[in-house]
Amino acid sequence: QITLKESGPMVVKPTQTLTLTCTFSGFSLSTSRVGVAWIRQPPGKALEWLALIYWDNSKRYSPSVKTRVTITKDTSKNQVVLTMTSMDPVDTGTYYCAHFFIQYYDSSGYPQGAVDIWGQGTGITVSS
Amino acid sequence: EIVLTQSPDFQSVTPKEKVTITCRASQSIGSSLHWYQQKPDQSPKLLIKFASQSISGVPSRFSGSGSGTDFTLTINGLEAEDAATYFCHQSGSLPWTFGQGTKVEIK
Repeated sequence: QITLKESGPMVVKPTQTLTLTCTFSGFSLSTSRVGVAWIRQPPGKALEWLALIYWDNSKRYSPSVKTRVTITKDTSKNQVVLTMTSMDPVDTGTYYCAHFFIQYYDSSGYPQGAVDIWGQGTGITVSS
Repeated sequence: EIVLTQSPDFQSVTPKEKVTITCRASQSIGSSLHWYQQKPDQSPKLLIKFASQSISGVPSRFSGSGSGTDFTLTINGLEAEDAATYFCHQSGSLPWTFGQGTKVEIK
């Protein structure tokens, strides 16, 4: 059974750096075709993808946060860490980590899969 | 960036009715469109992947169709437990994007 759980501070001040940890079980990030994504949801708004890390340590970032976000993995600890710098009140919301599995590669060689299991989410408030 | 537009934004439905939610992509994404259900204070749950592939454990009343730019989630015979917000999500190209959500209320 795959489970993921996010942890981190509930409140951060503007301009500070946010560090979130995703601790997971039921899969290994050294297994081919496996990935972990970070996705957030501002209060009452739609979901927004932030970053993705694959089993081979390749990483992808949303252009909207690319200059501020870093995603890393510690395979031995079954953890993925997201750091986001220069936090602003607009970054307030629920942050989720989620499991992703590459089901196939399309004709362009682009990996195709669905985010299938989500963590419970952690609420982050950016306020002074 | 591919924009996903869902319709309607809100739907109030009587139990046992059929519910249809559409998701339109700003450009073709093949079948790389997935549907999620999110209940208040819960994380999203995958209902349908790759437009029409069913997910183990999800009731058979949920089905999906479409390809290219137009997709549909259908709930055949709405039940009270289906009150939730439904999101579509595309993984066809980066950045991944999500629809704005459709809230389904039970009358």
